[in-house]
Formats: sequence, structure tokens, C-alpha cells
Amino acid sequence: GDSVTQMEGPVTLSEEAFLTINCTYTATGYPSLFWYVQYPGEGLQLLLKATKADDKGSNKGFEATYRKETTSFHLEKGSVQVSDSAVYFCALSGSLNTGFQKLVFGTGTRLLVSP
Amino acid sequence: GAVVSQHPSRVICKSGTSVKIECRSLDFQATTMFWYRQFPKQSLMLMATSNEGSKATYEQGVEKDKFLINHASLTLSTLTVTSAHPEDSSFYICSARPVMADRGGLEQYFGPGTRLTVT
Repeated sequence: GDSVTQMEGPVTLSEEAFLTINCTYTATGYPSLFWYVQYPGEGLQLLLKATKADDKGSNKGFEATYRKETTSFHLEKGSVQVSDSAVYFCALSGSLNTGFQKLVFGTGTRLLVSP
Repeated sequence: GAVVSQHPSRVICKSGTSVKIECRSLDFQATTMFWYRQFPKQSLMLMATSNEGSKATYEQGVEKDKFLINHASLTLSTLTVTSAHPEDSSFYICSARPVMADRGGLEQYFGPGTRLTVT
């Protein structure tokens, strides 16, 4: 079945450091890929998305590029802030297995940014 | 836009009682809503898919009679935890997929979650 693999956290960075959170996926067909962010005690918010190969999703300084050749969708930010501390989830939907209804989530990566 | 609310945000109940959690899409219509359960420091586990006007589809291992789902309108789905026990304590999150989501969209909009504690 489909799966999403994320790097284990926590990722601990100092403010203004460069961030990369790795995400790879296994799926049939051409899924859409997402990054969601969860702040403490809250639900998930869509951060960015990409719907086809080579698409780049971006929002709030975060970017991720849909790489079909490496089945990856790594999240990057050039300069993190303390307010970026949260749990980040990579997800996919729309594969031949999963269909267009469900999201398949990775296990989440906790980011801790210190001043 | 695309706001989903949940009520209550926190609830504490005694073992053996039932608890109802509401999920509402505030500014869009959703034919499909999803219910997730999240354990501490873990990912989301899809419990069921709720379609307006029809029976929910439950994931394998989720007890239909314990977690009752009703999707009565295009903006409201409810999850009732029946005869709750301490092991049902968890963070429950709903999400909604807009009626007009296109093929390229597919995103779901999530509620803020409900923390259930069963004593």
C-alpha cells in the first residue's frame, strides 16, 4: 500500500538556521503531495501542496518540490523563526491505491527552534 | 476561508458515558468529512470517512458501534463515543473536503481537535 516516510525528530535549530525535513513516498500513479503543520494543542493546517511532478509548493517562506524521480517532497526554509516550532506532517492523496478521498500521513517531524 | 470548527475543544467524562463531538465546516460545504484519532507524539490515524446522507466508512479495526458517526448535512458531522472507557482518551480531529475540490486540490481542512479524557 501507499506510505509516507519522514525523518525522525525532533529537529532542533537555532533561529535563522536553514531547515530541511525529508519526506519520501511510495505510491502508484500520480498522487498529490502535501505538507501540513500542527502547532501545540491545535489541529492541522495545510502549509503547501504540489499536484504534479516538478511542481513547487510554497507558503510562508517554506518550499517543497515534487520530485517523481526520487519520490521525494522535502520541506525547506531558508531562515527559521521561533514561531515555526511545530510538528510537520508530509502526506499524499490521489494515488491509484489510496484514491481521491483519503490522505496518507507520515509520522510527523517535530521542529524546535530556539532564540 | 475554509474554516472547520469542532466542539467541544476539551471534554472530560466518566467511564461508561457517551460523548458527542461536532465538526462543522463554517464557510464551505463538504460532502465528505473525516475523523482521525491522534495519540501523543504520533501521527493521525484515520478512523472513518463520513459522507453526507449515507453511512460512514470505517477503517479496519475501528468499532462501528463504539464510534458512531452521523453526517446529517453538508456542514455538520458528529462523532459519538459510546460507553467511553479510559483507553478512548485521545485527541480527535475532524477534517472536511470541500464539495468543489478539483482533481488537483484534494486537500482537506482540519478542525482544531477535541481532547477527550475519560476518567
